[in-house]
Amino acid sequence: GENVEQHPSTLSVQEGDSAVIKCTYSDSASNYFPWYKQELGKGPQLIIDIRSNVGEKKDQRIAVTLNKTAKHFSLHITETQPEDSAVYFCAASMGNAGNMLTFGGGTRLMVKP
Amino acid sequence: EAEVAQSPRYKITEKSQAVAFWCDPISGHATLYWYRQILGQGPELLVQFQDESVVDDSQLPKDRFSAERLKGVDSTLKIQPAELGDSAMYLCASSWGTGGNTEAFFGQGTRLTVV
Repeated sequence: GENVEQHPSTLSVQEGDSAVIKCTYSDSASNYFPWYKQELGKGPQLIIDIRSNVGEKKDQRIAVTLNKTAKHFSLHITETQPEDSAVYFCAASMGNAGNMLTFGGGTRLMVKP
Repeated sequence: EAEVAQSPRYKITEKSQAVAFWCDPISGHATLYWYRQILGQGPELLVQFQDESVVDDSQLPKDRFSAERLKGVDSTLKIQPAELGDSAMYLCASSWGTGGNTEAFFGQGTRLTVV
């Protein structure tokens, strides 16, 4: 089955700096890659996703890149703010398996004011 | 804004007792998932429903866990008997359907503590 590795496990940045979180996946059949933000005591919230026919997608301060050849994808957050502090999860899924998501281990992002 | 509803938010139970969690997906979502999230880890799929049918329950510990979605709308996940290792966040998610590439929306989860 699919295996998703996520790095780093913790990331501390100064407010205004950029943050980058990287994930690798094992199954080349995966074609959908969402990112979730999870705040303490809450469920994961979808923040951005990318499909295999696209190399990059941007939404305001958040961008995601996908390299299918290398089987890795990354989340980029620019101009970080204290409210960006949370745990971020990457995930991967294969279309023919419904939408079963395999998650990475998570990255705890801390933005220091 | 439509949300996935889960109850209770928190549950403390003694080991060997039975416990149940309830989920009401976003209206119109045919696919429903139950995930378990151990503290400090990513969510792991327990069971997936398409309408009232189980699509995947390969990771569900069937000796103690059961899940149902009788009318293809809301769902119940049950643990009997609960064990100390079952302490975790139980998350429900829903999406429009299978075929892939459709967003999954999560509820707030039920935090289970087994003592």
